[in-house]
Amino acid sequence: NAGVTQTPKFQVLKTGQSMTLQCAQDMNHNSMYWYRQDPGMGLRLIYYSASEGTTDKGEVPNGYNVSRLNKREFSLRLESAAPSQTSVYFCASRAPSLWVEAFFGQGTRLTVV
Amino acid sequence: DQQVKQNSPSLSVQEGRISILNCDYTNSMFDYFLWYKKYPAEGPTFLISISSIKDKNEDGRFTVFLNKSAKHLSLHIVPSQPGDSAVYFCAASARVQGAQKLVFGQGTRLTINP
Repeated sequence: NAGVTQTPKFQVLKTGQSMTLQCAQDMNHNSMYWYRQDPGMGLRLIYYSASEGTTDKGEVPNGYNVSRLNKREFSLRLESAAPSQTSVYFCASRAPSLWVEAFFGQGTRLTVV
Repeated sequence: DQQVKQNSPSLSVQEGRISILNCDYTNSMFDYFLWYKKYPAEGPTFLISISSIKDKNEDGRFTVFLNKSAKHLSLHIVPSQPGDSAVYFCAASARVQGAQKLVFGQGTRLTINP
């Protein structure tokens, strides 16, 4: 059981380049999330999705877009990367029940130079 | 606007003693609270949780306390062990227009000294 899988694990981008971070879960969860982790800032919510085809902005959505094309996959796109987007990105998923935990992927370490 | 706050960036505790990690929140709509543990280069892993209708939940060495009137929760670890050294994140969940929003605090780095 793979749980939540993120690809790639590491990426270096030049300023202005675009890329998509991929996330897939095999637990049949409805809710999925994208977070970024920065020193002193904790885990900040970028976007989340309650189900296929629906997405909502989190705390720091600017500069990002997301796609929830099916129940398993939730991708995060940087259209024009900036050095301020250098961070570790985590994807998570969660079952629809009210009182359950979220499961996280291993993270993608992104550096924008 | 940080809705979940962990005001102590770090905490150092002697092995065998109690570790107490604190968390404050501002949104009264939060109905479920969780603690996660994170080791370097790994994703956060779930530790313990509490619903808003309870004031205490215990699981082995870990106990979470919730004070709704103060909008405060804490995680107690007793006795503390070297393997508990990690970053601990507090999280809060609220249902927003059918979706479960889940927000985290800044984290507290716990170091257990032998």
